[in-house]
Order: sequence, then C-alpha cells, then structure tokens
Amino acid sequence: KAGVTQTPRYLIKTRGQQVTLSCSPISGHRSVSWYQQTPGQGLQFLFEYFSETQRNKGNFPGRFSGRQFSNSRSEMNVSTLELGDSALYLCASSLAPPWAGGSYNEQFFGPGTRLTVL
Amino acid sequence: EDKVVQSPLSLVVHEGDTVTLNCSYEVTNFRSLLWYKQEKKAPTFLFMLTSSGIEKKSGRLSSILDKKELFSILNITATQTGDSAIYLCAVEAVYTGANSKLTFGKGITLSVRP
Repeated sequence: KAGVTQTPRYLIKTRGQQVTLSCSPISGHRSVSWYQQTPGQGLQFLFEYFSETQRNKGNFPGRFSGRQFSNSRSEMNVSTLELGDSALYLCASSLAPPWAGGSYNEQFFGPGTRLTVL
Repeated sequence: EDKVVQSPLSLVVHEGDTVTLNCSYEVTNFRSLLWYKQEKKAPTFLFMLTSSGIEKKSGRLSSILDKKELFSILNITATQTGDSAIYLCAVEAVYTGANSKLTFGKGITLSVRP
C-alpha cells in the first residue's frame, strides 16, 4: 500500500507570492490534516478535512486555506507569503477523524514539503 | 490555550545508554497522549496512552502516563545510533462535542553516538 505522498517536496518562493501544496492520502483514507513545522514553534495544526469539508482549524491567519477533493486528495494554499511561512508542511491521513470513529494512532504522515520564502 | 512542553530540548548520549524523555501538558478535556519519532521528515507513531499508570512497551522503548501530575515519559534502553531522531509528544484534547485536535510539543532531538 502506498503511503501519503506530498508534492512538491521542495519549493522556493519570494515574499508576496502564493503557493499551493498537494497531499495524496493513503488509499481509502478520507481524513487529511495539515501541519506546519518550524524550529521555533514545533509542529502546529493547520486544518483538517473529511469528506471534502473542513472540520477543524488551527490558529493561523486567513492567508492559509485548503480544500479536499472527492478522491480525498487535499491541497493547501498560502497567499501573500511572508518570511515566517518558511517551514516544513506535513500532511497526515487517516480513515476518519476521531469523532467519526477514527483514531490518531492510525494517522500516517507524509514526507512533507519544505517551503523556503526569500 | 493547550500547552505541551518537552524536556530536555536536546541530548547527546552514547550507544548503550538509557534515556528518559519528558513531556508535560496543560490541556482542557484530555483524551490521549501520543509519542512520535521523526527521523528525516515524516513522524512515525510510537505509542498512544490514555490511561494513567499503564506502561506501553515496544522492544527497547516504553512509555507511561501520569494523568494526575499531567506528564508522560518515554524511555529508551540500550540506545543505538538508529534511535537518533526528534521525538515528538502530542496531546489530544476534545474541544467541541466529539471534535478533538492534537497539540504538539517542540520535540526532543536525541543524538546517539557510537
């Protein structure tokens, strides 16, 4: 079974640009969560999607948005990039979120997209 | 605001040593605590703890939760160079209805020298 895949793996952008990151979950998984990881703040929750709907959101500005498609693939978008957006963006997939019968111990992470903003 | 604090932030040991990694938390409506190992990019799941005092064990790794004192430890015995990684602690808390989310600590960087 293929794992969670994320594209691109590396990305360099300049301030003010926008970026779209993609995540393909494990086959059969319908829940996708996004996280931002930086040395200073650690791993922080961005949002969670299940059945094409955003179910959960972290404390990030509106410049961060996402969506999920009918095949459960998800994209996240960051507009008007700032230097502080440089980070490793991880997505994780699971069959379902805990409230729908899933569990975080069945959540699998992808390898991440390393975004550098210059 | 939910808070998870891991300590120490980094440590260096020699092969064969035993290490104890700490995780303390302050969350409302605790549901579970999870440990992950992150070697290069993707964190991989190690343990999920929900009940106090019950040790989870997998090979040389073990973990225990104290819900009264609000902390967990991850022990690694007879360390090997392959144990070098960032160890993440995350706490699951319920916030509305059955919705829950994970709050992560900043991680502990473990380096095991031959």
